[in-house]
Amino acid sequence: GNSVTQMEGPVTLSEEAFLTINCTYTATGYPSLFWYVQYPGEGLQLLLKATKADDKGSNKGFEATYRKETTSFHLEKGSVQVSDSAVYFCALSDKSWGKLQFGAGTQVVVTP
Amino acid sequence: DAGVIQSPRHEVTEMGQEVTLRCKPISGHNSLFWYRQTMMRGLELLIYFNNNVPIDDSGMPEDRFSAKMPNASFSTLKIQPSEPRDSAVYFCASRDQGVGETQYFGPGTRLLVL
Repeated sequence: GNSVTQMEGPVTLSEEAFLTINCTYTATGYPSLFWYVQYPGEGLQLLLKATKADDKGSNKGFEATYRKETTSFHLEKGSVQVSDSAVYFCALSDKSWGKLQFGAGTQVVVTP
Repeated sequence: DAGVIQSPRHEVTEMGQEVTLRCKPISGHNSLFWYRQTMMRGLELLIYFNNNVPIDDSGMPEDRFSAKMPNASFSTLKIQPSEPRDSAVYFCASRDQGVGETQYFGPGTRLLVL
């Protein structure tokens, strides 16, 4: 079956540092890939997505590239802010019904 | 757009009581998903509906859980009787299947069963 593996947290960074969160997946076919973000006390929000190999999703300074050869979708941001402190979830979608398979989530803490 | 609306936002109840969680999806969305989030198990898909019809309820933990979607603008998740291990945050999400795969999440209901 489909699965998503992402690096464990928490990841603690200083403001303006570079952030990478690794995500790899196992799936049949060609799923769509997503990064969702959850701020404290809130629901999940879509951060970015990519629907086919070599696509790059980007939003709010975050980027991730769909790498079919390495089955990866790593999230990166060049300069984080305190406001980026949140839990980040990598997910893949079963294109037939749109079921999302989530990773365990990675907590990111950015300190001033 | 108001987004996905869930109620109540917080619920505290005693073991054995019935709990009903409510969700109003985004208008025009035809798929609805119920998730449960706990520290131990992360995000789990409980059930999802397409055009008000339950498609997959394999994630529903046991018979104490039931979900309904009587119309396109309302869904309920019921736990009867509730147990302390049901304590979690329950999220509802909706999607317009004709547009794409992105799911839009509500703010969640934080349930505590004592």
